[in-house]
Amino acid sequence: GIQVEQSPPDLILQEGANSTLRCNFSDSVNNLQWFHQNPWGQLINLFYIPSGTKQNGRLSATTVATERYSLLYISSSQTTDSGVYFCAVVERDGGSQGNLIFGKGTKLSVKP
Amino acid sequence: EAQVTQNPRYLITVTGKKLTVTCSQNMNHEYMSWYRQDPGLGLRQIYYSMNVEVTDKGDVPEGYKVSRKEKRNFPLILESPSPNQTSLYFCASSLGLGQSYEQYFGPGTRLTVT
Repeated sequence: GIQVEQSPPDLILQEGANSTLRCNFSDSVNNLQWFHQNPWGQLINLFYIPSGTKQNGRLSATTVATERYSLLYISSSQTTDSGVYFCAVVERDGGSQGNLIFGKGTKLSVKP
Repeated sequence: EAQVTQNPRYLITVTGKKLTVTCSQNMNHEYMSWYRQDPGLGLRQIYYSMNVEVTDKGDVPEGYKVSRKEKRNFPLILESPSPNQTSLYFCASSLGLGQSYEQYFGPGTRLTVT
């Protein structure tokens, strides 16, 4: 099955710093999403981005499907950005199951 | 507000006592599914449903049942819970078949089985 690798696994930032999180996937995908899991365990949708570039406030994401990677940019980080960031994909030839395959996540800690 | 809701959010129960975790979405979504999240194992799909009365097994279906009698609801049933089902559970939904549409997750249900 498809493999999803995220880097770095852990990231500590000072408030106000910028960061780039990376997601590599091993096969063609129909769906790629970025999530933020907050300290209370909730999964927050950040981007649905199987290809191209999107921006939402201080966050933006780019997926280069032909090269099988996606990047999540966080600018001017805030303490509320802390948590785990997941990349998740649905394999193109995965049939009707449609299950999201998650990476192991990047744990981000933003210090005041 | 468009959302996926789950109840209860937290549950502590004992081995063998049947329980149901409810999931409801108000977005008229066709596709719904359940995941569990465990340390070191990540999120894994339990069951999914492509439409009313159409359900199928995901990657870890043992010990679980589901039903889809109405489009908006997709309850997860544990007939005889065991400690290895202690986990964080998420319900998700999307407009159509999961591979082609954005999936939205509920707030999670933290289950402890003693």
